[in-house]
Order: sequence, then C-alpha cells, then structure tokens
Amino acid sequence: NAGVTQTPKFRVLKTGQSMTLLCAQDMNHEYMYWYRQDPGMGLRLIHYSVGEGTTAKGEVPDGYNVSRLKKQNFLLGLESAAPSQTSVYFCASSRRQGAGYTFGSGTRLTVV
Amino acid sequence: SQQGEEDPQALSIQEGENATMNCSYKTSINNLQWYRQNSGRGLVHLILIRSNEREKHSGRLRVTLDTSKKSSSLLITASRAADTASYFCATDGHQAGTALIFGKGTTLSVSS
Repeated sequence: NAGVTQTPKFRVLKTGQSMTLLCAQDMNHEYMYWYRQDPGMGLRLIHYSVGEGTTAKGEVPDGYNVSRLKKQNFLLGLESAAPSQTSVYFCASSRRQGAGYTFGSGTRLTVV
Repeated sequence: SQQGEEDPQALSIQEGENATMNCSYKTSINNLQWYRQNSGRGLVHLILIRSNEREKHSGRLRVTLDTSKKSSSLLITASRAADTASYFCATDGHQAGTALIFGKGTTLSVSS
C-alpha cells in the first residue's frame, strides 16, 4: 500500500517555464489537497478537491491550476513559473472532511 | 491566513524529559489535529481530538483541548531522540467542503 505518491521529488525550473506536479493516492480517498511549505510560514493551502471532477481554491491559489479527472489523481500545474513559487509542495488526501490526512513525501521545486 | 499558532517556535530538551507544545486558534472548530514532520519528509498524522473532547491519549502522546480558550496542548512524555521533529496543529472548521488550516509549527530537538 503506497499511500500518497508525488512525482517528481525534485525539479529546477527557469522563470516562465511550465510544469505539472502529479499526486496519486491508492486509498480511495475522496478529498485531496495541495499545500506549499515555506520557511517560517508553515503549510498554506493552494487548491483542494472534495471529489472527482471538483476543485476549489485555497489560501494561495494564484499562479496555479489543478485538475482531478480521476479520483486517485490530483494534478497541480504551474503555467509560467516565478521565483516566488520556489517551495516544497505537499499533496495530501483524506477519506472525508475532518479525517486525518495522509501526506506525500513532497516535491522540492526551485525556480531560477 | 493561519488559524493555528504553535508556541514555542522551538524547544530543546534532554532525552527522558517531557515536551509540551501549545496551539491557539481563532475560530470555532469541529476538531483539531496534530502532525509530526521529520526533516525533509512529509507530515504524519498523530492524533485527532474533537471539539466535544477535553483530553485524548495515544501511547506517549497526550492532547488536551480547551474550546473556551481556543487552545490545545500536545504533551510528549519520556522524550526520545527519535521524537526530534517539527510538530504542527491543524484545525478543521465548521464550514462544509473546506480543508485543514495548519499552524507554523514547533521545532522539537531532543538530545541524548
């Protein structure tokens, strides 16, 4: 049972480039989330999904887009990367609202 | 905006001592959760306490919740070097279809 898998684990982008971060969970969880973690800032919610085909904005959604075409996958896209998007990105999933989250191991993204 | 705020920001203790971390939050909640994050890893769910509970135990962990003061504490008894990590509280609000809001965390260092 893999839990939540994030790919890639590391990436360096040039300003203006685009990329997609993939999150996959094998626990049949309804809810999925994308957070970013920056030093001294804790975790901030980017986007989340309460079920297949649904997405919603979190606290810091600007510059990101998401899609949840399949229940097990939640994709985070950066259309035109900026240095301010240098961060560690975490995906998480939960069975329902209010349940404990299972986190992936993170993607460390550097935008130069 | 951060809902939970942990205190202290950093804590250093010796093995065998108890570690206490506090979390304060601003709005009413359904439940409050604590997570651990080892350096360079994803977060791991430790314990969940519901708004109608005052205390909960799990192994060496004891969590209390005071909804009148909008605060919670996490006590780790008989700390071990392996407990060295960052600890985050996260709150689940009353609004349907929302996500956990995390605090900035307490960094615990346990030396042998």
